[in-house]
Amino acid sequence: DTGVSQDPRHKITKRGQNVTFRCDPISEHNRLYWYRQTLGQGPEFLTYFQNEAQLEKSRLLSDRFSAERPKGSFSTLEIQRTEQGDSAMYLCASSFSGRGGYEQYFGPGTRLTVT
Amino acid sequence: QKEVEQNSGPLSVPEGAIASLNCTYSDRGSQSFFWYRQYSGKSPELIMSIYSNGDKEDGRFTAQLNKASQYVSLLIRDSQPSDSATYLCAVYNNNDMRFGAGTRLTVKP
Repeated sequence: DTGVSQDPRHKITKRGQNVTFRCDPISEHNRLYWYRQTLGQGPEFLTYFQNEAQLEKSRLLSDRFSAERPKGSFSTLEIQRTEQGDSAMYLCASSFSGRGGYEQYFGPGTRLTVT
Repeated sequence: QKEVEQNSGPLSVPEGAIASLNCTYSDRGSQSFFWYRQYSGKSPELIMSIYSNGDKEDGRFTAQLNKASQYVSLLIRDSQPSDSATYLCAVYNNNDMRFGAGTRLTVKP
């Protein structure tokens, strides 16, 4: 088991461009979460999937953000028409809901810089 | 009122001392509680989970939970310089995980 992986680790883009991030969860985990973290703050929930179904999305999440998990394995997070305020660390976490525990394990994150 | 509150620190302790980190939360229905360690520039790493009132020990770490007071704490015994990091308290209820802003701990040799 190699843990949660994310790609790319760093992304620099110009304002107005679209970006897409990928997350590969721990293989037996059925839940996948996306968070955003800015300096000095804890991770902020964006959305989560159970298998391929997107079950919850933060009310704070702009329509420019969309996420998919087409086959219940990896997930992508796309940000359209990026803004400077989108600069942050984007974190993916996964968990297994079957044993009654709720521990989430994070990937290394994708650091986005919008210039 | 923030949903999960932590002292931002920095908390500074000498090597070998006990570091005490505290967290309060506002949602009485919260079911599960976690402590994550985050080194600068890295992602959060799960170090403890606690589900029931009382203490839970794992090596040098002890998590304490008091649901009536809506309070959870983390004790680190025999603190080491490698424990210097930001510690995030996370509270889970109904598929929703909320994080505090973290307490920065510095362990001085």
